[in-house]
Amino acid sequence: QTVVTQEPSFSVSPGGTVTLTCGLTSGSVSITYYPSWYQQTPGQAPRTLIYNTNTRSSGVPDRFSGSILGNKAALTITGAQADDESDYYCVLYMGSGIWVFGGGTKLTVL
Amino acid sequence: EVQMLESGGGLVQPGGSLRLSCAASGFTFSSHAMSWVRQAPGKGLEWVSSISGSGANTYSADSVKGRFSISRDNSKSTVFLQMNSLIAEDTAVYYCAKRVSGTNSPTDYWGQGTLVTVSS
Repeated sequence: QTVVTQEPSFSVSPGGTVTLTCGLTSGSVSITYYPSWYQQTPGQAPRTLIYNTNTRSSGVPDRFSGSILGNKAALTITGAQADDESDYYCVLYMGSGIWVFGGGTKLTVL
Repeated sequence: EVQMLESGGGLVQPGGSLRLSCAASGFTFSSHAMSWVRQAPGKGLEWVSSISGSGANTYSADSVKGRFSISRDNSKSTVFLQMNSLIAEDTAVYYCAKRVSGTNSPTDYWGQGTLVTVSS
């Protein structure tokens, strides 16, 4: 069974740049997996940041960007702000209507 | 403005049933696939089930296959999740999610969620 992998935690300084990744235990992530990224703060519903690898959802600032880096999908936050401190989830499309989420990355801004 | 409002959550005993509803507004409901995604307490997100815009095609995660079923009423812009044979591991906040287009398209909007607790 293929598992979607994410860094459990990451830290970034205010104003800094951080890249979170989304991989597979077997194989490489490509655009055909339609990678998406979601931000979630405690007690709140997820918010869509990026879908189809690099399309920003409505209202998402351009300091959030998505890409494929090597064999993984990536979310880059440029100029990190305090309110970027959240959990970030990626999801990949496995075909046949099936989506699989990664375990999430807890981002700390300090 | 796109909105989804979930309802139907609550406390249910193991082996029991529950039906969740999600009333949507602000978009052409029948043109978009819909999904349910859940989050157990302190855990990550888990895709549960999806349904196409027409309702003709449905898909479910292995963890709920045979126990949960997704359906929709396009005349009422509402999607449902019928949950049977509930077990403790089904305890979670259940989110309704709109997809950009078909079931192979990503989620762009989320509801606020409804809590389901399975306990005796």
